[in-house]
Amino acid sequence: DAKTTQPPSMDCAEGRAANLPCNHSTISGNEYVYWYRQIHSQGPQYIIHGLKNNETNEMASLIITEDRKSSTLILPHATLRDTAVYYCIVRPNTGFQKLVFGTGTRLLVSP
Amino acid sequence: DAGVIQSPRHEVTEMGQEVTLRCKPISGHDYLFWYRQTMMRGLELLIYFNNNVPIDDSGMPEDRFSAKMPNASFSTLKIQPSEPRDSAVYFCASSSSGGIWGSTDTQYFGPGTRLTVL
Repeated sequence: DAKTTQPPSMDCAEGRAANLPCNHSTISGNEYVYWYRQIHSQGPQYIIHGLKNNETNEMASLIITEDRKSSTLILPHATLRDTAVYYCIVRPNTGFQKLVFGTGTRLLVSP
Repeated sequence: DAGVIQSPRHEVTEMGQEVTLRCKPISGHDYLFWYRQTMMRGLELLIYFNNNVPIDDSGMPEDRFSAKMPNASFSTLKIQPSEPRDSAVYFCASSSSGGIWGSTDTQYFGPGTRLTVL
């Protein structure tokens, strides 16, 4: 039972920023927000994770609201290869906790 | 780094036959996971190992499924006997608990094995 809510699908024009929202209103203080994506016919791929501060890496930026009840994954300049299903996952940072994948957001990047 | 390696990439078999899926995790990783993905149920965790020891097999659907990890560089998932409803993509993933944030490790997935049971 995933503890996140994501829109089932989104569209984005190539070269534009893709902003993927995620609601996690029941998140606990010790839970991280993780983002993975799955390109068609491939295994899921880690993108980024964060606790409460905004994070950025070479793939994306993660913006977490101050109350931590929602977050947004930003792909600054989407390309056709970013077409994938994007999963938002919350997970405690104490001990080992397995990832629980929900249904994710299917992002379609078009020319 | 070669990443997580799975074999075979595709497997077609007949109902009742034994199927063995194989996985080589990333060297140095101490966690190994087996997932199954179907259109109906999405991505499900079947079992995971820590230091070659099975920790949680609550996701294994039934006794026809078994998994082993004889050493740190090899794991198998076996289905005996196979049934058409076992048709799915099976993913293996590995991770390391040695990060500076402790358990905030990330999982690295293999390319998957697409199993078709006729």
